[in-house]
Amino acid sequence: QQQVKQSPQSLIVQKGGISIINCAYENTAFDYFPWYQQFPGKGPALLIAIRPDVSEKKEGRFTISFNKSAKQFSLHIMDSQPGDSATYFCAASRIGNQGGKLIFGQGTELSVKP
Amino acid sequence: DAGVTQSPTHLIKTRGQQVTLRCSPKSGHDTVSWYQQALGQGPQFIFQYYEEEERQRGNFPDRFSGHQFPNYSSELNVNALLLGDSALYLCASSRTQAQYFGPGTRLTVL
Repeated sequence: QQQVKQSPQSLIVQKGGISIINCAYENTAFDYFPWYQQFPGKGPALLIAIRPDVSEKKEGRFTISFNKSAKQFSLHIMDSQPGDSATYFCAASRIGNQGGKLIFGQGTELSVKP
Repeated sequence: DAGVTQSPTHLIKTRGQQVTLRCSPKSGHDTVSWYQQALGQGPQFIFQYYEEEERQRGNFPDRFSGHQFPNYSSELNVNALLLGDSALYLCASSRTQAQYFGPGTRLTVL
């Protein structure tokens, strides 16, 4: 119940295309869903996050879509650029006194071809 | 405004030794969480510190211990190192739910 399942494991997209990464969770107590971007040798960088009271959140070229009934959420990267090539992780946690423990997906290695 | 900083950057130890890793949170953050990231995997939660106390712990043995100081900085200690402890150790700081990660410490156990 603590798992977050992420797919695909790897993704190749042409420059200017849309990259889509999907995640699914089991624990309905999760109420905070961030996405992180990680370059080789660096720590994960917070990209965008969503709470289940909204179905979509957009920041620049990055959009999270959230389906509470299906317990799924996805990251869409519009107009993908070679500089977006990195590993992306979805995560989930519970907000509150017992919150804060982030459960991460296994990661998606994105490669954007010029 | 400095982000989360960690030291050292890299560390090489042998089996059975002990190691201490250090983390300074972003300015204004009072909570520090530690994660272990094996190669090709997502980070795994070790524990979280708030007000100098361990608030929550993941599935890690007692060989992993920590501390938070009054200035909110934190240390992660690992005793009796095993080969399997080789990983990138990440520190994240927060004030609300958003956690911001440092660059990590790469620990190699030989």
